[in-house]
Amino acid sequence: GENVEQHPSTLSVQEGDSAVIKCTYSDSASNYFPWYKQELGKGPQLIIDIRSNVGEKKDQRIAVTLNKTAKHFSLHITETQPEDSAVYFCAAGLGGGYQKVTFGIGTKLQVIP
Amino acid sequence: NAGVTQTPKFRILKIGQSMTLQCTQDMNHNYMYWYRQDPGMGLKLIYYSVGAGITDKGEVPNGYNVSRSTTEDFPLRLELAAPSQTSVYFCASKFTGPNTEAFFGQGTRLTVV
Repeated sequence: GENVEQHPSTLSVQEGDSAVIKCTYSDSASNYFPWYKQELGKGPQLIIDIRSNVGEKKDQRIAVTLNKTAKHFSLHITETQPEDSAVYFCAAGLGGGYQKVTFGIGTKLQVIP
Repeated sequence: NAGVTQTPKFRILKIGQSMTLQCTQDMNHNYMYWYRQDPGMGLKLIYYSVGAGITDKGEVPNGYNVSRSTTEDFPLRLELAAPSQTSVYFCASKFTGPNTEAFFGQGTRLTVV
């Protein structure tokens, strides 16, 4: 089955700096790579996703990159704000109708004002 | 618009007791999922359902049962609670199709003592 490794487990940045979270996956058949943000006491919420036919995707201050050859993908947050503080999860798997994905262990991001 | 609703939010069980975690969604989603989240770990899939009357095991199904008699509801049953089932449980749902987002409930924090 799929195995997803995520690092770092914790990340502290100054407000306005960039944050980068990296993930690797093992199954070359995986074609769907979502990123979730989980705020304290809440369920995960999809913030951005990327599919294997795309190398990069941006949405305002958030961008994801995918390197299928190396089997790794990354989340980039620019101009970080205190409200970006949360736990971020990457996931990898099959993006068909059922969308079976395996999650990484999460990165706790702290943005220091 | 309620989305995915889980009840209860918190519960303490004694070893050997049983309980049902409720999950309901009002978005007419076909797919529903149950995950557990342990400290410092990613989400692990317990069971999933692709529609009413159809359920299947995920990565960690032992000790749990599910049913899907309606599109809206997907309860998770613990028959003989064990300390290893202490966790936070999340229910999620999504539409059929590859380009649709999974929505998560706010979670149920379960402690087995």
